Amino acid sequence: AQSVTQLDSHVSVSEGTPVLLRCNYSSSYSPSLFWYVQHPNKGLQLLLKYTSAATLVKGINGFEAEFKKSETSFHLTKPSAHMSDAAEYFCVVRNYGGSQGNLIFGKGTKLSVKP
Amino acid sequence: DAGITQSPRHKVTETGTPVTLRCHQTENHRYMYWYRQDPGHGLRLIHYSYGVKDTDKGEVSDGYSVSRSKTEDFLLTLESATSSQTSVYFCAISSSGIGSGELFFGEGSRLTVL
Repeated sequence: AQSVTQLDSHVSVSEGTPVLLRCNYSSSYSPSLFWYVQHPNKGLQLLLKYTSAATLVKGINGFEAEFKKSETSFHLTKPSAHMSDAAEYFCVVRNYGGSQGNLIFGKGTKLSVKP
Repeated sequence: DAGITQSPRHKVTETGTPVTLRCHQTENHRYMYWYRQDPGHGLRLIHYSYGVKDTDKGEVSDGYSVSRSKTEDFLLTLESATSSQTSVYFCAISSSGIGSGELFFGEGSRLTVL
């Protein structure tokens, strides 16, 4: 079975400082992992995805994530936070074997950015 | 932005009444999904469709039914709404299925069941 755990429900950073959002996964297969972002009162948008190619994955808006099999982690980072990064972020793993496969969403990390 | 429109965007109803939420897409994508989002739970799949008249259940399908009579429309029906179905419902579409992980989401429909 597959699962994801987002280690922080809320992260607060100052504008211009680095962002780190942590995600651990569990998967019986070689995992497909994703990060989605949700701005207030909006739908979710795909930030980046890992599907067994390069372990360092670059996404939109300067975000990147590194797949570490030994640590079963897929943490999301950004060198310098911007006010527009304030949103909720979801770590997602593909659930193999479920109906039409399925995406299992973490519970989310709300990112606050202080001026 | 992907052409996905959900309606209604907000609805308040009473326990026991039927409710239908509509998802309309202009992208001609084959796959369509209904999720619900609840605090502390992330998103959970209710039902999905892999073509006209082809639908299947997700992990939280009890109390919900769906229909897809045209490529562009995917309807979610609560036959008899309960307070536990108070949630934000999101429609999503994909051209290549969940395997790609790339879903495009609508802006959500907030349903309150009193």
